[in-house]
Amino acid sequence: AQRVTQPEKLLSVFKGAPVELKCNYSYSGSPELFWYVQYSRQRLQLLLRHISRESIKGFTADLNKGETSFHLKKPFAQEEDSAMYYCALGGTSYGKLTFGQGTILTVHP
Amino acid sequence: SQTIHQWPATLVQPVGSPLSLECTVEGTSNPNLYWYRQAAGRGLQLLFYSVGIGQISSEVPQNLSASRPQDRQFILSSKKLLLSDSGFYLCAWTEGRYGYTFGSGTRLTVV
Repeated sequence: AQRVTQPEKLLSVFKGAPVELKCNYSYSGSPELFWYVQYSRQRLQLLLRHISRESIKGFTADLNKGETSFHLKKPFAQEEDSAMYYCALGGTSYGKLTFGQGTILTVHP
Repeated sequence: SQTIHQWPATLVQPVGSPLSLECTVEGTSNPNLYWYRQAAGRGLQLLFYSVGIGQISSEVPQNLSASRPQDRQFILSSKKLLLSDSGFYLCAWTEGRYGYTFGSGTRLTVV
C-alpha cells in the first residue's frame, strides 16, 4: 500500500532563512510526487511535480528514490510562503493521489 | 479553460439529517473525479473516485455515498449524518498524471 509521511505538523522559520519540508513515501511501483499548497482562504493548488523538475516561487524538490523522499526546499523563505503544504504520491491506478498529513509553515518577519 | 465549482461553501446540519454536496467541472470531458475529506490533524483522505458516468469507487467504508449522474457532475450524499461526518470536503478532477485541480471546498459541521 502507498503511504506518504510528513513528519512535521508545524514548521516555523524566520524570513530569509532556508526552509525544508520533509516528505517520505512508501510505494512499490513507479512513483509520481507532487507538492500542493493551501494559502489562507485560498483553495488547495498544485505547487510543483517531480516530473517537471521545475522551480516554483523559489521552491524546488528532488525525488530521491534511494531514500524514498521528496523534500521541498527554499533557500530564503518569505512571509508569503506561510501556508499549509501537502506532499502527495501518484502513479497509482485511476489517477488517485495519496496525501501526507500536511505541514503548516509559518515564516516570521 | 477548465474550472471546478463546488457548493455550498459552508453547511451546518443536525445529526440524522440528509446531505447533498455538489461538484461540477467545466471545460473538460470525461475527467476523473474525486471526493476528499480534510479532517483536522488527519490530512486529506480519499473518499470516492469516479472514472466515468455511473462509475463510483469507494476508498473507505463510511456513512457517505457518491454519484455521478452526468459526465461533469459529482455528488456526495448521506441519508443520515453523524457527528463524525464533520469536516472539510474537497472535490477534485484530473485528466491524468499532471495532478489535481481542487474545488474551493465545503465546510460541513454536524451538530
